[in-house]
Amino acid sequence: SQQGEEDPQALSIQEGENATMNCSYKTSINNLQWYRQNSGRGLVHLILIRSNEREKHSGRLRVTLDTSKKSSSLLITASRAADTASYFCATDATGGFKTIFGAGTRLFVKA
Amino acid sequence: DTEVTQTPKHLVMGMTNKKSLKCEQHMGHRAMYWYKQKAKKPPELMFVYSYEKLSINESVPSRFSPECPNSSLLNLHLHALQPEDSALYLCASRTHGSVTQTGELFFGEGSRLTVL
Repeated sequence: SQQGEEDPQALSIQEGENATMNCSYKTSINNLQWYRQNSGRGLVHLILIRSNEREKHSGRLRVTLDTSKKSSSLLITASRAADTASYFCATDATGGFKTIFGAGTRLFVKA
Repeated sequence: DTEVTQTPKHLVMGMTNKKSLKCEQHMGHRAMYWYKQKAKKPPELMFVYSYEKLSINESVPSRFSPECPNSSLLNLHLHALQPEDSALYLCASRTHGSVTQTGELFFGEGSRLTVL
């Protein structure tokens, strides 16, 4: 089952620009995670934000969480061609460790 | 480099074959997961093992049979699969198997399965 939607489905930007991806979910959550996937490869964890946190930073990544709107955003600043990948949000519902992924955003960063 | 190892990387099988996918982690993680991913789609949860016990089965058809022989190993036995089962099968693990202690998932590189 899919937890929610992400938008945009695809995003194409120039190197050096910022990329913003949004994620919505449906249930109460313990935390929300963002993952990156290069084509046909495994997923790599980027950042986790807990339900009682509103914003978190890691390097060029900034994640926000609005539990009242059941939504999150991932901002990648000063993008690089190497950031080209699919990005997925994932949630752990309250009371469980069932991790469900959103639809994903395919990011293309042009050099 | 991933610390979750999946074998084989690629598998081609006929609909009457029996095969297995294997996953191994040596991080001491107590929860292990199987996901199925079709092209351009998100991973779909199949099974979760917590402390070597099957905790979640997302109504997966019985032609997929998971097994957790010990805390480091996770198998997915395949039998009488259909062409629509062709996908990337991803294994993941996380530190805790407790509902109150969740964290990041560590993924393997996946096993690409083609059913003819």
